[in-house]
Formats: sequence, structure tokens, C-alpha cells
Amino acid sequence: DAGVTQSPTHLIKTRGQQVTLRCSPKSGHDTVSWYQQALGQGPQFIFQYYEEEERQRGNFPDRFSGHQFPNYSSELNVNALLLGDSALYLCASSLAVYEQYFGPGTRLTVT
Amino acid sequence: AQSVSQHNHHVILSEAASLELGCNYSYGGTVNLFWYVQYPGQHLQLLLKYFSGDPLVKGIKGFEAEFIKSKFSFNLRKPSVQWSDTAEYFCAVLRPNTGFQKLVFGTGTRLLVSP
Repeated sequence: DAGVTQSPTHLIKTRGQQVTLRCSPKSGHDTVSWYQQALGQGPQFIFQYYEEEERQRGNFPDRFSGHQFPNYSSELNVNALLLGDSALYLCASSLAVYEQYFGPGTRLTVT
Repeated sequence: AQSVSQHNHHVILSEAASLELGCNYSYGGTVNLFWYVQYPGQHLQLLLKYFSGDPLVKGIKGFEAEFIKSKFSFNLRKPSVQWSDTAEYFCAVLRPNTGFQKLVFGTGTRLLVSP
């Protein structure tokens, strides 16, 4: 049984560009949450998707958007990249038991 | 502001020493509590969790944590650490009655165990 998978592993972008990160949840999970982990910090909640809708959002600007597909996989899009968006982006999946399983993350570097 | 506090940012121990990492949260009401570990180069893994019942919970690899409601604390302990416990440890809180599964994390404690 595959756990949570994310792609790509690493990504380098320049300021102003747009990026899309992808996540496949653990088998049987229907909820996907995205977190941003800056260097030396704990993960910060970006948003959560359930039944293809954004269910809750953290304190992130509208430049951060997402999508969930019928197969429960999800994408995180960030527009107009800033240097401060450089971080590890984590995807977590769960199934209504409040235990979230995390993927390996995508390391985004903005230059 | 509602938050999760981890008091020790860096801890250095020798093998076989005892470990206690502090975690406090500032939410009232029902909470679910978690400790996650991030080994070097690996992803976040769940060490243990508390939902209800016995406030002393046991997790993987000999770790345990005690929920003290009156102190809003959920400290992580291990009687005897090993070199392989070198990692970053995160405490996290979820408020189930909000209907959402949003985890709020502390800033983490980086543990270095010297052989």
C-alpha cells in the first residue's frame, strides 16, 4: 500500500513564475491538506480539500490555490512567486479519523 | 493567539540519557494531540497520538507522552535515547469539534543524540 506521494521532489523557480505541485493521497483517504514548512519552522496549514472543494484555508494569500480531483489527488498552485515562498511543501491525507499521513514534500526554491 | 509552544528548540543528549520534550497549547475545549518526528532526509512520521481516555499514551520506538489537561501540556518522554533518535520532533494540535482536520504545529525541537 503506497503512502502519500508528492511530485516533484525538488523545484527551482524564479520570482514571478507560477508553480504546480502534486499529491496523491494514501489509498482509501479522501481528504488532502497542504502545509508549508519554512526552514527552521513547523508546518503551517495552507488549505484542505474534501470532496473536491476547499473546506478550510489558513492565512495564505490568494496566490495560493488548489484543486482536488475525483480520484482524491490534489494540486497546489502558487502564482507570482516570491522569494519568501521558498519552503518545503507538504501534503497530508486523512480519512475522518483526524490522523494525517504526510508525504515526503516538495522542496521549492525561488530565486 | 492560539498556538502550540515547544520550549526547547535544540536538545543535545548522550546515548542512554532520558528525554523529555515540552509541548504546551493554548486552546480550550476538546483537543487531539500528536507528536510527529522528522528524521534527517525523511518525511514527517507519527510517533503517537492522544484522542481520549488514558492520558498516558505510548507510541512507537519506546516513546510516550502524557496529556495533562490542567496544564495544557503534552510532553514527550523516552527513558533512554539512542543515536537513531536524532531527529526533529514536532508537537501538533487538532480541534476536532471545529469539523476540520487542521493541524497546528509547534516550531519543533531538534534533538541530537551523541554516541
